Amino acid sequence: NAGVTQTPKFQVLKTGQSMTLQCAQDMNHNSMYWYRQDPGMGLRLIYYSASEGTTDKGEVPNGYNVSRLNKREFSLRLESAAPSQTSVYFCASSEGLSPNYGYTFGSGTRLTVV
Amino acid sequence: AQTVTQSQPEMSVQEAETVTLSCTYDTSESDYYLFWYKQPPSRQMILVIRQEAYKQQNATENRFSVNFQKAAKSFSLKISDSQLGDAAMYFCAYKAGNQFYFGTGTSLTVIP
Repeated sequence: NAGVTQTPKFQVLKTGQSMTLQCAQDMNHNSMYWYRQDPGMGLRLIYYSASEGTTDKGEVPNGYNVSRLNKREFSLRLESAAPSQTSVYFCASSEGLSPNYGYTFGSGTRLTVV
Repeated sequence: AQTVTQSQPEMSVQEAETVTLSCTYDTSESDYYLFWYKQPPSRQMILVIRQEAYKQQNATENRFSVNFQKAAKSFSLKISDSQLGDAAMYFCAYKAGNQFYFGTGTSLTVIP
């Protein structure tokens, strides 16, 4: 089925460990996004990629890096995980940045940092 | 600054009844879009309905409709003939330019 695929679905890390969250979309969308979802705070944008080869910071980029590997894939890396990064992470894609494009979301990654 | 406020953390409705979820937003933009997303326990965020700010007519998708009051910056979601499968978190979202802002969500319970 067409859509946004995230891996892994669940992950537990120790403080200081690193990991990469993977995201791939097969809808030929130009723009991709990483959000985190915390209780009582809705979704907050971490990084986004307007198109292949470009990335930009969102609202909460500290502690994260991203790579737009190609048009399909957009990864999120935690270099040194901290308990404050315990959250549910969502990848999303859209045809472009124009406001009239809604997002297609992945099913999320629940990350726990202990 | 753009903010989206959902003042009802939790709502409940009897099956087959109608429920309205509230959303207000703050913006200085004239061209923007508003969305309602549903997040069931599976975590998948699903687009329910969207509204273009320049359109006066309220959007409708089957049992889901909105009441868009541009001057009041209000964008409520009405669910008619509620079904058990409607139970989920509902997020209101505002989009202008290249930024998408989400509210904190309303948890909807459907009572059989």
